Amino acid sequence: GAVVSQHPSWVICKSGTSVKIECRSLDFQATTMFWYRQFPKQSLMLMATSNEGSKATYEQGVEKDKFLINHASLTLSTLTVTSAHPEDSSFYICSAPEAGETQYFGPGTRLLVL
Amino acid sequence: SQQGEEDPQALSIQEGENATMNCSYKTSINNLQWYRQNSGRGLVHLILIRSNEREKHSGRLRVTLDTSKKSSSLLITASRAADTASYFCATGETSGSRLTFGEGTQLTVNP
Repeated sequence: GAVVSQHPSWVICKSGTSVKIECRSLDFQATTMFWYRQFPKQSLMLMATSNEGSKATYEQGVEKDKFLINHASLTLSTLTVTSAHPEDSSFYICSAPEAGETQYFGPGTRLLVL
Repeated sequence: SQQGEEDPQALSIQEGENATMNCSYKTSINNLQWYRQNSGRGLVHLILIRSNEREKHSGRLRVTLDTSKKSSSLLITASRAADTASYFCATGETSGSRLTFGEGTQLTVNP
């Protein structure tokens, strides 16, 4: 199947700093990508839809100024967690639909904010 | 918000046995996708079934979809210890749209 990569795979940062996570579709183009968040032993919760060439669409309850999304190209979307706090510690995972249907997920980024 | 429920929440079986996981959803869908997630890792796509399909097979996997009951099942036959993982169903309301995930089933296959 298609490949989606994420970088970094894990990050530890101090409270108050900003962290950027990259999501790339390696062998296909994606005008839309999705960002999810997953807490331990829970399911995935959609945070936002990243749209190439336009603003991201955020789910209810997700602060757009806190989680900045930029869809820089047809193969790259970035999620920046600004002024991170310990409660932002989580597993962040992106996905992209290939050929409009099957969604492929990245390997995820584990964020720990101290 | 979560689309629906999966049951059981946890399933423990012996190697060689079959494992069946069920998923229910609430809204109309275009497709339903099943994923596997090993602890702390990303999601691996297993199978996609469209709303006009009733059953699909892929290797040891069989997926059924009943749109009248808004439910789907995933059957893993002849399970192996390596099948131990969490399994999620996810629904898409349109092709390529965002997915809404079920709560997941934690499958443990004992050697």
